[in-house]
Amino acid sequence: DTGVSQNPRHKITKRGQNVTFRCDPISEHNRLYWYRQTLGQGPEFLTYFQNEAQLEKSRLLSDRFSAERPKGSFSTLEIQRTEQGDSAMYLCASSFSPGLAVHGQFFGPGTRLTVL
Amino acid sequence: AQTVTQSQPEMSVQEAETVTLSCTYDTSESNYYLFWYKQPPSRQMILVIRQEAYKQQNATENRFSVNFQKAAKSFSLKISDSQLGDTAMYFCAFMKDAGNMLTFGGGTRLMVKP
Repeated sequence: DTGVSQNPRHKITKRGQNVTFRCDPISEHNRLYWYRQTLGQGPEFLTYFQNEAQLEKSRLLSDRFSAERPKGSFSTLEIQRTEQGDSAMYLCASSFSPGLAVHGQFFGPGTRLTVL
Repeated sequence: AQTVTQSQPEMSVQEAETVTLSCTYDTSESNYYLFWYKQPPSRQMILVIRQEAYKQQNATENRFSVNFQKAAKSFSLKISDSQLGDTAMYFCAFMKDAGNMLTFGGGTRLMVKP
């Protein structure tokens, strides 16, 4: 499978717990993006990386959220002290920049987080 | 900041008919990229069609075509010969620069009826 993969696909946690999600982009893609999608809404940008450098973070990304992309390959998104409002689908996407980035981003299946 | 608006939360169409989904956006950029993404129920988002703002010709991909009106900041998607597999959420998205983040609209839920 050469697409974007995300793990786990589903995560149920209790309020206050920490969770970590993983995204493996398409292997030759140097850009990796995280989005959050709540039910019935469009995805909202959280952050993105070019290789291992985090280039931009949304104001949606509170201090409880941290993302890393060590060695410019896979990425992790950690949420500390989860709150019920964090319940959402977390989407990862990748692209190759420059050049092929104009073709859009390729999305993974998402990780659905439920905070009880 | 860019905004993308999809004014039709839900639409339905009979199989084999044509349907048009609307999208408007607001930006001060002169060059940018626009996309339509499809998200089937419980499945991942896939790219349907893209348009570069500097190109006047409307993009076409098989049964999917767009009507890009740059002055009006409008970017509608036309689906011809609708198929049951077209049932999905459709999102319009804006990208300021190549490789930048996407800004999505709120989506249109399309139901294709047999």
